Amino acid sequence: NAGVTQTPKFRVLKTGQSMTLLCAQDMNHEYMYWYRQDPGMGLRLIHYSVGEGTTAKGEVPDGYNVSRLKKQNFLLGLESAAPSQTSVYFCASSYVQSNQETQYFGPGTRLLVL
Amino acid sequence: KNQVEQSPQSLIILEGKNCTLQCNYTVSPFSNLRWYKQDTGRGPVSLTIMTFSENTKSNGRYTATLDADTKQSSLHITASQLSDSASYICVVSDPGGSQGNLIFGKGTKLSVKP
Repeated sequence: NAGVTQTPKFRVLKTGQSMTLLCAQDMNHEYMYWYRQDPGMGLRLIHYSVGEGTTAKGEVPDGYNVSRLKKQNFLLGLESAAPSQTSVYFCASSYVQSNQETQYFGPGTRLLVL
Repeated sequence: KNQVEQSPQSLIILEGKNCTLQCNYTVSPFSNLRWYKQDTGRGPVSLTIMTFSENTKSNGRYTATLDADTKQSSLHITASQLSDSASYICVVSDPGGSQGNLIFGKGTKLSVKP
């Protein structure tokens, strides 16, 4: 199993450009998440999905859109990048067993918006 | 506002020594409390998950304790190794909301020196 993979690993954008971050998991997990991690702050949830075809807003959703057309993929889109979106983005997937959720994170995507 | 506060912010110890990291939270009620280890440039990895009814849980040299009355948790690392150098993140799950209700602390950065 590859676990959770993220593409790309690193990207530089100019303000106003758009891009899509891809997250893929091969563990058949129902739940998937997108977080951003900024210096001096904890991970903050952008959007999440509880199953194929469903998405929901997290703590900091503005400026981002997501799609979960296939169970194994969760896409994060930036329509018009801003410097404030410079961050490290982590995708995670999880399953629930015995009423406990176990979360697995991807390696992260570093995004720099100039 | 539900919060998770970790201390210290950073810690330097010598290889072979023990250390204890603290986590205080105001999330109430809560579903479970987790500790993650995050190596530099990598995604977080789960160390322990405890429900509100558990007092302690171990994972090798890592032992987490939980006092639900005082809303405190600690992560004790025994006989530290150089590979323990990482950020340790405390996460509290709020059961009142949806799947996206994980509240992340800012982490404690641990450096183990030879």
